[in-house]
Order: sequence, then C-alpha cells, then structure tokens
Amino acid sequence: SQQGEEDPQALSIQEGENATMNCSYKTSINNLQWYRQNSGRGLVHLILIRSNEREKHSGRLRVTLDTSKKSSSLLITASRAADTASYFCATGPTGANNLFFGTGTRLTVIP
Amino acid sequence: GAGVSQSPRYKVAKRGQDVALRCDPISGHVSLFWYQQALGQGPEFLTYFQNEAQLDKSGLPSDRFFAERPEGSVSTLKIQRTQQEDSAVYLCASSNPRGGQNTEAFFGQGTRLTVV
Repeated sequence: SQQGEEDPQALSIQEGENATMNCSYKTSINNLQWYRQNSGRGLVHLILIRSNEREKHSGRLRVTLDTSKKSSSLLITASRAADTASYFCATGPTGANNLFFGTGTRLTVIP
Repeated sequence: GAGVSQSPRYKVAKRGQDVALRCDPISGHVSLFWYQQALGQGPEFLTYFQNEAQLDKSGLPSDRFFAERPEGSVSTLKIQRTQQEDSAVYLCASSNPRGGQNTEAFFGQGTRLTVV
C-alpha cells in the first residue's frame, strides 16, 4: 500500500491563482520530495525537503514540512496553464533507499 | 544518454505471454528502482538495485515478476504468464545515493503494458 496520501485528489483553479496541495505520511523519514507528472509521461522531481527543514522555496514553489504532524504542503503561486499535471509527494523512509509515493493531486489550471 | 530510457514505450501482451521491459539508467547512477503505476494511482515500489545487487524486492507482487541488473547498469523487468491485473505503466528510476539516502530520483517515460 502507498505510504502517503495527498489532499485534495483533484483541484481546479484559474490561471494566476495559487494552488495548495497537502500530503500526509505514516513513518519517520529522511526527506520528503514532490514530483510532477504530465499525462502519459514520467515523473519529474520538483523539490526535496529534509526532515530537519521546515520550509523550502524554489521559484514559484513553496514546500513546508511538519514532522510532528507527519504532513507537508506544496504551494504553487501565480499558477499557469502549463502547471496542469498530477503532483505526488514521495517520502524517503529512515533506513531505506527507495521512495514511497502518495496517491497524487490532479491540478487543472484554467487559462 | 542524458536521461533514463525505457523500452518499449508500449506493449500489448496476450494473457499468459511473457514480457521483458528494459531500463537504461543514467550513466554512473548506482541505484535503480522499478515502480508499477496503475491508472489514476501513484507509483508503487517494486524493487531496488544498488549496482548489480538486488537489495529489496519486497514490492514484487508475485513470483511471476523477476528483475535483474547483471552488470550494474541496464536492468530488465520480466513478467511471466501475464495476467490482466498486470496492466499498468512500469516506471524505472535511477539515482546517485552518494549524496545520502533517498536522493532525487530520475524517472524514465515508462512502459505502458496492456494485457488482453
């Protein structure tokens, strides 16, 4: 079974608005990563936040991590139609090398 | 090549047929992972290699699934006697863990397997 769950499952916004998606996970982690997947394509790494970090920025992306609540959020500011994709959080469990993915949030940005 | 390459991109197999899916990781990447992604779901971990050693195969759903990476570079995922429930996208990823555990993974485009 999958390690994490994203919320919401689907999100539809107007271009220019901000999009926020959340991820909850179950075990202790080394880090948490967010990936993007366009329809029919592979996953692309967006950002990695380590377990001792609380917030990280990359361009229009802002990620937060709360290890006490075992949750993370991804904020995309000033969204664009090209941001339309599925977004997955992936956790790197302590003591393991692989990643466990959540169920994903399907984001649609309407031009 | 510049990225992870998988072949074939699409495969249609008759139920009961054996299939072999290939993954060419990024040159020099030590770690290689296989994931299975059902429609509308997130990728599910299948197996992990460090060089030629298969260190974790806990995600393989049955003994019909077999993976190898004999020379520590190219990997093959083989599925014997395919069943309809095997229909999914099979993703390969590689990473270089010298920066630590669970580092950024680079994914291929995947192989979409349809069992009819």
